[in-house]
Amino acid sequence: GAGVSQSPSNKVTEKGKDVELRCDPISGHTALYWYRQSLGQGLEFLIYFQGNSAPDKSGLPSDRFSAERTGGSVSTLTIQRTQQEDSAVYLCASSSSGYQETQYFGPGTRLLVL
Amino acid sequence: KNQVEQSPQSLIILEGKNCTLQCNYTVSPFSNLRWYKQDTGRGPVSLTIMTFSENTKSNGRYTATLDADTKQSSLHITASQLSDSASYICVVRALNDYKLSFGAGTTVTVRA
Repeated sequence: GAGVSQSPSNKVTEKGKDVELRCDPISGHTALYWYRQSLGQGLEFLIYFQGNSAPDKSGLPSDRFSAERTGGSVSTLTIQRTQQEDSAVYLCASSSSGYQETQYFGPGTRLLVL
Repeated sequence: KNQVEQSPQSLIILEGKNCTLQCNYTVSPFSNLRWYKQDTGRGPVSLTIMTFSENTKSNGRYTATLDADTKQSSLHITASQLSDSASYICVVRALNDYKLSFGAGTTVTVRA
């Protein structure tokens, strides 16, 4: 497709389980971002990938969170030992090159931890 | 800490009416400000972008204003339509920073 895609669209899991969220950015986009959107709050920056540079992981809330970007394209966000407070919408965005460019967002993955 | 505050938190308007959303920010040094529209269950979509030198920008029935001196922006929706029902998010970027500062959004509900 032409836009950013994310999967799954919804995920319900039990506390303590691991989950993996996937993001397919727009083809050719070198920059990729992960955000978390909690109810009533602004988007929270999690991690930033730019080309082959080391990612900025400064927004990851704990060591249970990790992310990878393989081949400069697809990215996966992994949450280990999920907690109820991890319940949120996880949004991925990509941009064509530098950080001044418009970020195009995917539809998000709605995660519910029971 | 750079912050973006939006008001009101939510509003309900009748189809065909106008409304104005507010955004105040403390981000400095300022680079640009965007308004995004986020439909329910979708990702945000950029409506407008303004830099320091711009004080108004239109996109169809959406008009954004920026006062960089007072660090305020507004988004005006003219002749609202049912499809305008969404969350509108103010997003500010600091100079030389790829991290964006997001407001919590204003939820607009347009009723027939």
